[in-house]
Amino acid sequence: GAVVSQHPSWVICKSGTSVKIECRSLDFQATTMFWYRQFPKQSLMLMATSNEGSKATYEQGVEKDKFLINHASLTLSTLTVTSAHPEDSSFYICSATGTGSRSNEKLFFGSGTQLSVL
Amino acid sequence: AQKITQTQPGMFVQEKEAVTLDCTYDTSDPSYGLFWYKQPSSGEMIFLIYQGSYDQQNATEGRYSLNFQKARKSANLVISASQLGDSAMYFCAMRGAFGGKLQFGAGTQVVVTP
Repeated sequence: GAVVSQHPSWVICKSGTSVKIECRSLDFQATTMFWYRQFPKQSLMLMATSNEGSKATYEQGVEKDKFLINHASLTLSTLTVTSAHPEDSSFYICSATGTGSRSNEKLFFGSGTQLSVL
Repeated sequence: AQKITQTQPGMFVQEKEAVTLDCTYDTSDPSYGLFWYKQPSSGEMIFLIYQGSYDQQNATEGRYSLNFQKARKSANLVISASQLGDSAMYFCAMRGAFGGKLQFGAGTQVVVTP
């Protein structure tokens, strides 16, 4: 099956610093990538949708200047948490889908990144 | 707008028994897809099973089956012969007619006991 690689799997940073998370599709072209955020014992909340070569679409309430998303190629999308603060500590997980956009096309998920901001 | 509801926050099930996880949904899309994912404590999202809104038969994948009742807008997951390794969080999700984002329910924590 398709593989999505996400790095790093965990990161600890100081408050005020920026953190970049990478999401790569290893064996397919990911035209669309989704970034989710998950707090402990809660569901996945969509943050933004990124399409290759265009600006990301952010969900309501998500600060686009805080969470910078770049989808520069068909195999790589990055999420940068700028000026991170303790309240940004969370589990971030990406997912990718291929060239189709049908409702039955399953999404492949990365393994997630646990961010802890001190 | 789409909405996914999982009303069971958690449940215990004995090893080798079957368990049903409830999921109801609401959408105005004529065509949609329903998914179940498993998330163990490691955090990865593992795809389990898919049901299309126009599929005539209920989906099955090994020990997983989906009880799809379109008129009731429900898509319950049945896990047969539970194993200790089935202990995890289970999410129901839906994707609309034109693809796009996958919207998740709140999840159900399943604990399988010996």
